[in-house]
Amino acid sequence: QQQVKQSPQSLIVQKGGISIINCAYENTAFDYFPWYQQFPGKGPALLIAIRPDVSEKKEGRFTISFNKSAKQFSLHIMDSQPGDSATYFCAASPSGAGSYQLTFGKGTKLSVIP
Amino acid sequence: DADVTQTPRNRITKTGKRIMLECSQTKGHDRMYWYRQDPGLGLRLIYYSFDVKDINKGEISDGYSVSRQAQAKFSLSLESAIPNQTALYFCATSDSGTGAHEQYFGPGTRLTVT
Repeated sequence: QQQVKQSPQSLIVQKGGISIINCAYENTAFDYFPWYQQFPGKGPALLIAIRPDVSEKKEGRFTISFNKSAKQFSLHIMDSQPGDSATYFCAASPSGAGSYQLTFGKGTKLSVIP
Repeated sequence: DADVTQTPRNRITKTGKRIMLECSQTKGHDRMYWYRQDPGLGLRLIYYSFDVKDINKGEISDGYSVSRQAQAKFSLSLESAIPNQTALYFCATSDSGTGAHEQYFGPGTRLTVT
């Protein structure tokens, strides 16, 4: 059972455009929602994360939007650059004793073309 | 990535062979994890360890074993490798004291079983 569904699988965006990646979850115990960025030949690296007490979090060109009632969250990359080309994974974990347990989406390969 | 190192980075082995993947970290974190990444499937947890004497199975532990030799070292073994264990393997760490949610990944080991 896939607990975090991520879409699209791949995304091509023109330089300067907005990249949007969506995730949906099922487990209402989840209360931490990070996004990881992975470049080829590298391990995933934490990009930005949000908790459900806020609906949006922005760090530079990267924004997470969170809709608790719909159990959905999304990553928006503004002014997308070729250097943003990578695979992006959403994830979710519960709090407390289960906080170690990250459940990942299947990933989105983003290509930003000049 | 330099804080979490994995050896080897690439390995080709034959069906039935025993193989060990090693992970070391200098972050001082108490928790360590082994994940497997397959194209289109995201990251799946194999084993995790909260400290040297606390080791637990993850989602896909069959065919794998682990050893936590010290707080900084966590090894993954394939007792008898099979072709469907061909994948990218990542080690990760987290600190239960400051942020159990935040996991830091190594650069990965690409394993091919022929």
